[in-house]
Amino acid sequence: DIQMTQSPSSLSASVGDRVTITCRASQSISSYLNWYQQKPGKAPKLLIYAASSLQSGVPSRFSGSGSGTDFTLTISSLQPEDFATYYCQQSYSTPPVTFGQGTRLEIK
Amino acid sequence: QVQLQESGPGLVKPSQTLSLTCTVSGGSISSGGYYWSWIRQHPGKGLEWIGYIYYSGSTYYNPSLKSRVTISVDTSKNQFSLKLSSVTAADTAVYYCARDSVVAARGDWFDPWGQGTLVTVSS
Repeated sequence: DIQMTQSPSSLSASVGDRVTITCRASQSISSYLNWYQQKPGKAPKLLIYAASSLQSGVPSRFSGSGSGTDFTLTISSLQPEDFATYYCQQSYSTPPVTFGQGTRLEIK
Repeated sequence: QVQLQESGPGLVKPSQTLSLTCTVSGGSISSGGYYWSWIRQHPGKGLEWIGYIYYSGSTYYNPSLKSRVTISVDTSKNQFSLKLSSVTAADTAVYYCARDSVVAARGDWFDPWGQGTLVTVSS
């Protein structure tokens, strides 16, 4: 199975900050990497697919980059509604689909 | 737009079989290019993929759960279902259904998701 490791596991930031979350795969996954946002008590929401494609309806302050084993999710200017947990997910080698352990983004 | 809704018992006894159904509305489950998935989340933990099914009935399961999982589809009702046998307290989780979009050379991703349903395994 391909292991996905996110860093940091948690992060404190302020409204307006630029934030970067990293996801590393245990082997190359090309660009088969997706990012999700989950708020408490809610289902995850797709933000970015295929490493860098913005899902329809997602604000442009979210962006994704990377290929191979190293990927980043960047929020250019944090908004109050962005405080949530973020997960990466690989679909290069399945089954099984695997997710990162999550990064909790909190208000400083 | 496509919406998914999970249904089923919220409490299951140990050693019994957990059964959930996902009803798809706003689109046909028989549309090509999609797999229909089950994903779970243990309380306060991350996401675990359980498996998915194509409308034709082809299934793929997480090897860690494969011996206990069955996913089936009923195209006439626009539903797909999950059965997890021999449950223990470790199967207590929020269970989500989701549509998995498959695009050649780009991968696949889950969108949309159902709201999730908490299943507790307890006597």
